[in-house]
Amino acid sequence: GQNIDQPTEMTATEGAIVQINCTYQTSGFNGLFWYQQHAGEAPTFLSYNVLDGLEEKGRFSSFLSRSKGYSYLLLKELQMKDSASYLCAVRDLTGRRALTFGSGTRLQVQP
Amino acid sequence: DGGITQSPKYLFRKEGQNVTLSCEQNLNHDAMYWYRQDPGQGLRLIYYSQIVNDFQKGDIAEGYSVSREKKESFPLTVTSAQKNPTAFYLCASSPTDSNQPQHFGDGTRLSIL
Repeated sequence: GQNIDQPTEMTATEGAIVQINCTYQTSGFNGLFWYQQHAGEAPTFLSYNVLDGLEEKGRFSSFLSRSKGYSYLLLKELQMKDSASYLCAVRDLTGRRALTFGSGTRLQVQP
Repeated sequence: DGGITQSPKYLFRKEGQNVTLSCEQNLNHDAMYWYRQDPGQGLRLIYYSQIVNDFQKGDIAEGYSVSREKKESFPLTVTSAQKNPTAFYLCASSPTDSNQPQHFGDGTRLSIL
């Protein structure tokens, strides 16, 4: 089985940097995804990590440490539109390609 | 534009009634999935299909059924056996390459009358 933990809520200020952590336990690891989800909408893909290290994509970066079962999503130059839930999801080594999702971190960006 | 279309956007179910949620994709993806999301929670896998005419139970399949007669379509039926169906239902698809992300439809919100 798999277990994924994320903080429930975070608050940050417009223009600042925020780091959202995700820890996981899995019987076999085959990649970690970050999704953004605005209230009542579908999740949208942000980043993918399968090897250790940092992946950067514009204002968003994601880091993975497989030995520690740990990832974080870094959001820079926060904007009001970044207020959303951020979902960490892990793919395991079983035959299915479905993802196991954490409960999500609700980020509130304040002026 | 390619994408995933879910319908209807809102659905109401009466006691003892079966309802079917539609999911269609034109991304030419082999794999399709159904997830359920409850308020303040993550997504939980109901069913998935990696190829036409084949599907597998996910983590919370009881009270649900699916079919995969065409590559483009993966409808989900919420049966009367599902006693707590009120939730946000999301359909997703992905290529067979595991490095590729899943793409989601806009979801169907199901409520009990």
